[in-house]
Amino acid sequence: DQQVKQNSPSLSVQEGRISILNCDYTNSMFDYFLWYKKYPAEGPTFLISISSIKDKNEDGRFTVFLNKSAKHLSLHIVPSQPGDSAVYFCAASAPNFNKFYFGSGTKLNVKP
Amino acid sequence: DTEVTQTPKHLVMGMTNKKSLKCEQHMGHRAMYWYKQKAKKPPELMFVYSYEKLSINESVPSRFSPECPNSSLLNLHLHALQPEDSALYLCASSQFRGYYEQYFGPGTRLTVT
Repeated sequence: DQQVKQNSPSLSVQEGRISILNCDYTNSMFDYFLWYKKYPAEGPTFLISISSIKDKNEDGRFTVFLNKSAKHLSLHIVPSQPGDSAVYFCAASAPNFNKFYFGSGTKLNVKP
Repeated sequence: DTEVTQTPKHLVMGMTNKKSLKCEQHMGHRAMYWYKQKAKKPPELMFVYSYEKLSINESVPSRFSPECPNSSLLNLHLHALQPEDSALYLCASSQFRGYYEQYFGPGTRLTVT
């Protein structure tokens, strides 16, 4: 049973527009969330994190929003660039879990 | 230096071979991880080392044998693998075990014939 879900396997966005990637989780114990970006033939690269004491965290073009009541987080990329085309994974963890649970990924394609 | 290196990049091995995957980090991280990733699937945790001691084994078959010779190095010894073990094997490290950001290496693409 997957505790972290990314229900959209792919997303296509025009360059310069906003990309919104979504992630849902089922375990209410999760209180720390990460987003990773992965290019083909490379390992995942850490992008941005958020803890449950916040509902928003921003880093340049990337913003993560957390809705604890809905057990939902989203990653906004504004403006989207062709170099953002990659697979994006969300991951979640909790105290004493000692590991992260990963979603299945969303493949983002930013069209020039 | 925020790099995790892995060798080899690609490995093809027969089912009777013995081979090893290597991982190295020089960030002073005290936790290191092995993941297995199949196409279009999330990374699947295999092993966690904390302070060079194995702390998590996610019920991985004994044909995979991890080793942490020192705080910078992590090996994965492979023996008598099956074709279904073909996957991308990722190494990662974090400052400590627990919820700290993990830094991943580029992976070793393993094909078992």
